[in-house]
Amino acid sequence: SAVISQKPSRDICQRGTSLTIQCQVDSQVTMMFWYRQQPGQSLTLIATANQGSEATYESGFVIDKFPISRPNLTFSTLTVSNMSPEDSSIYLCSVEGVNTGELFFGEGSRLTVL
Amino acid sequence: KNEVEQSPQNLTAQEGEFITINCSYSVGISALHWLQQHPGGGIVSLFMLSSGKKKHGRLIATINIQEKHSSLHITASHPRDSAVYICAAPPYNTDKLIFGTGTRLQVFP
Repeated sequence: SAVISQKPSRDICQRGTSLTIQCQVDSQVTMMFWYRQQPGQSLTLIATANQGSEATYESGFVIDKFPISRPNLTFSTLTVSNMSPEDSSIYLCSVEGVNTGELFFGEGSRLTVL
Repeated sequence: KNEVEQSPQNLTAQEGEFITINCSYSVGISALHWLQQHPGGGIVSLFMLSSGKKKHGRLIATINIQEKHSSLHITASHPRDSAVYICAAPPYNTDKLIFGTGTRLQVFP
């Protein structure tokens, strides 16, 4: 199993500012996934973060807006840059269990942009 | 049309009732996940299954690969079961999950 610590759990931010969300996993994992969940919607994959290479972004998401760092196999950050009210969402990181495929999620970061 | 669809979208039950949530998918998959999301936003994995049936406590998940359909059952439902239940599946040859839209369950005492 894997335990993921994600922070902050929630934040209220002003338009135009940036916020960095951190995810720490208690075991080494190859890929970490970053998701956005807009109010009333299901999860949308933002990007896949691999250690030692640039993140792979999904259609509609760009590195300038959502820069991701993956300095080692247990940690990753997602920054939401130049925020607008449309960025108000829950952001979640996720990993898959090694050899099991089981999914593990962070507790989520609920972001409100005023 | 979503590749993974859930029904119902919303479900209200009285404590003790038997609950069924359905998930249908149109892509080929190797496994399907059932997830539970509580109001705070955190998500917990309930089941991962590729065939047959799995049981954990009062929760039962079944999948029929030929019919591309899975169900999540909750027996003797309890108010603490109130949450959003999400099915998700990775199509063949991809690590990316396709998520259903979720079923919001409220169980009243």
